[in-house]
Amino acid sequence: DVKVTQSSRYLVKRTGEKVFLECVQDMDHENMFWYRQDPGLGLRLIYFSYDVKMKEKGDIPEGYSVSREKKERFSLILESASTNQTSMYLCASIGLNYGYTFGSGTRLTVV
Amino acid sequence: GENVEQHPSTLSVQEGDSAVIKCTYSDSASNYFPWYKQELGKRPQLIIDIRSNVGEKKDQRIAVTLNKTAKHFSLHITETQPEDSAVYFCAASRIPTFGRGTSLIVHP
Repeated sequence: DVKVTQSSRYLVKRTGEKVFLECVQDMDHENMFWYRQDPGLGLRLIYFSYDVKMKEKGDIPEGYSVSREKKERFSLILESASTNQTSMYLCASIGLNYGYTFGSGTRLTVV
Repeated sequence: GENVEQHPSTLSVQEGDSAVIKCTYSDSASNYFPWYKQELGKRPQLIIDIRSNVGEKKDQRIAVTLNKTAKHFSLHITETQPEDSAVYFCAASRIPTFGRGTSLIVHP
C-alpha cells in the first residue's frame, strides 16, 4: 500500500508566520500534489510537481510556494500566513495506475 | 483548463435505494475519470475510475458510466447502505480537477 504521510494533523499558527507543511510518500512516485479543501468548494489544486526540483502552479497558487528537493518529499510553504489560509490541506501522490493516494490531511488554523 | 461540475451537492436516500451522482466536464481531451469517497474526518479514497476508451465499469454495488460525446459521467450506487454515507468527489483528467462534492446520506 502506498503511504502518504503528512507531518502534522493539526496546526495553529499566527498571522504573518512562515508555515511549512511536509508530505512524504514511500512508493517512489514522481508526481506529488498539494490541495486545499474547504466546505462547498471541494478540492482545489495549489501546486504540483512532476519531479525533483520541478513545480507547476495549480489553480490557486497565490500566497503559497513549494519545495521538492527529494523525490519522496514535497513541502508546501505559506510565506506569510493569513487567516484566509485557514483550511484543510491534503497532499497526494500518483502512480502509474493514475489513481491518487491522499495523505490524512493537515488542518491549519491561522489566528 | 478543465472545469468539472457535480450534482447534486447533497443526496438523501433510504437504505436499499439507488443513488446517482452526475458530473460534467469541459475538456474533450480528458481521458481519465476517477471517483473518490471521503468519510467524515478521513482522507479521500479512490473507489472506482474509468478511462475514455470504456463506456461503463462496475465493481460490486458501484458503477460508473461515461458519455464522451456529451462530456458527462455518473456514479451509480445500488442497494445503498448506511456505511455508504460520505462525500463523493468526481474528477476529470490525469491531473484531476475535482467537482465540489456530493454529500450522500443513507437513512437506515
